[in-house]
Amino acid sequence: AQSVTQLDSHVSVSEGTPVLLRCNYSSSYSPSLFWYVQHPNKGLQLLLKYTSAATLVKGINGFEAEFKKSETSFHLTKPSAHMSDAAEYFCVVSDQSSGNTGKLIFGQGTTLQVKP
Amino acid sequence: DADVTQTPRNRITKTGKRIMLECSQTKGHDRMYWYRQDPGLGLRLIYYSFDVKDINKGEISDGYSVSRQAQAKFSLSLESAIPNQTALYFCATSSQDRVNEQFFGPGTRLTVL
Repeated sequence: AQSVTQLDSHVSVSEGTPVLLRCNYSSSYSPSLFWYVQHPNKGLQLLLKYTSAATLVKGINGFEAEFKKSETSFHLTKPSAHMSDAAEYFCVVSDQSSGNTGKLIFGQGTTLQVKP
Repeated sequence: DADVTQTPRNRITKTGKRIMLECSQTKGHDRMYWYRQDPGLGLRLIYYSFDVKDINKGEISDGYSVSRQAQAKFSLSLESAIPNQTALYFCATSSQDRVNEQFFGPGTRLTVL
């Protein structure tokens, strides 16, 4: 079975300070992992993806994530938070148990608050 | 114009009523999906469609049905709405060769009283 666990439901940072959103995964397969972002009253948007190429993945808006197999983690980071980063972030694993169906398994979400 | 649109954006209905949520896309994607979002639970897949003739149940399909009227249109129906179907519903699309890179609509907030 595949799953993702986001370790914090809510993270609060000050503008200009680093962001760390934590995600652990469980998968019997070589996982495909993603981070999606949801801004208030908007649909979700793909932030970045890991699909077994480079372990350090760069995404949009200065975000990065590092795939660590030994730790089964895929944490999302950004060196300096901006007010516009305030949103809900979802760690996602592709459900590969039934082939390449596009079935995604979402974590519970982490709300990022950015204080001025 | 938005690539993936959903109507209505907000809906309040009563228990037992039939309701349809509609999704349209201009991305030319073959694959479409319906999810529901509940606080603290992330998104869960209700139904997905590979093309007009290929529809599949997701994780939580009970109480829901879907119709793929055309490549660009995928509707979700609640035949007899119940209060625990109160949620935020999202439609998404993807191409066949990048199925995990999904494009989401803005969502429909449904309240069942």
